[in-house]
Formats: sequence, structure tokens, C-alpha cells
Amino acid sequence: DIQLTQSPSFLSASVGDRVTITCRASQGISSYLAWYQQKPGKAPKLLIYAASTLQSGVPSRFSGSGSGTEFTLTISSLQPEDFATYYCQQLNSYPLFTFGPGTKVDIK
Amino acid sequence: QLQLQESGPGLVKPSETLSLTCTVSGGSISSSSYYWGWIRQPPGKGLEWIGSIYYSGSTYYNPSLKSRVTISVDTSKNQFSLKLSSVTAADTAVYYCARRGITGTLDYWGQGTLVTVSS
Repeated sequence: DIQLTQSPSFLSASVGDRVTITCRASQGISSYLAWYQQKPGKAPKLLIYAASTLQSGVPSRFSGSGSGTEFTLTISSLQPEDFATYYCQQLNSYPLFTFGPGTKVDIK
Repeated sequence: QLQLQESGPGLVKPSETLSLTCTVSGGSISSSSYYWGWIRQPPGKGLEWIGSIYYSGSTYYNPSLKSRVTISVDTSKNQFSLKLSSVTAADTAVYYCARRGITGTLDYWGQGTLVTVSS
């Protein structure tokens, strides 16, 4: 089974900050990684797929990078609506897949 | 605009079977491009994929839940369903249905429904 870890699990940041979240896979998954944003009481929303491709309608301040076992999600300038929990998801084991444990981004 | 809506009992007794249905509107569940799946999230915890189904009926389940899960599809009603047997308190969660798009990611989600397992 491919396991995903995320770091940090929690981060406190201010509006305008540059934020980076890391997702690591227990084995290589090429670029088969996606990122989701979840706000309290809401379903997750797809942000990025194929490690670095922005989903339609997602603001360009979000970006993704990486391949193999290490991936990052970057928010270039944190906005008030970006305070949420972020999950990575690996799709290398298609049609099976797993999620990372999540990173909560909170207001400093 | 594609929409997914979960429905089913919000309370299930321990040892019984949890049953939920996802109704898809604004698009056909019979499209050859997509899988349809269930994901759950215990209160305050992360996401867990339960399983997926193709319109033809092909299914894939999370190995950790496989012995208790059945996912089925009814193309005539544009619905797919989840059954989880022998539930315990650990199965208390918000259950989401979602579409697995051509990129393999979950691009459309239902709003989620909380199912509590309690006597």
C-alpha cells in the first residue's frame, strides 16, 4: 500500500503570506498526485491534479510541484478564503487511491 | 451543471447495514469516461476512500473495508448506492459521493450526509 504523509499537520499564517505544504509518498508515484481544499462543513474541492495542473476555476495563486515521492502545494499570497484544510491524494494505485492526513491552515 | 446528492438514514444501529444512495443530475451516470465513488470522513478526521463503480457495474473497494462494502449502480435512475454491513461506532462519519473524472481525480462531490451509528 502507498502511504502519504503531509507536513506540517497544522500551520498558522497571515493574509498575504506565502504558504507551502509538503506531501510525501512511501514509494514513487510519478506525477499521480492531486490536492484538495476543504472548508468546515463542506465537501472537498479539487485544486490541482497531475501534481501541477490547476483545475479550471482555481486561482493562480495556487500551484503544485514535485514528482516521485515528494510534492508541494504553494499558495503564493494567502487570502482570507484560503483558510481551510488541504489534502493530497495519490492516484498511482489506480483504480485504488489514498488520501494524505491533511494540513490545516489557520489564521495567525 | 453536474450535481450529486446523497440520501439515506442518518442513524443506524450497531451491527446493522448502512445504506446510502447518490442521485446524479445534470449528467448521465452511464458516461464511459467516469467512475462514481464513495468517500467518508469521521468527525474531526481525514478522508477515507470507500470504493468506486463504473456504469457497467465494475467495482473497486478499499481493501480495509472490502469485506463489508457493496456498491451498486442503477443507470435507469441515474443513481449509485452504498451498503456497509455490520457497522460499529467507528463507521460514524460524513459520507460523500463523488465523480471520478478523466484525470482520475474527484472533480464533483455531493454535499455529504452524516451517518451516526448508535443504539
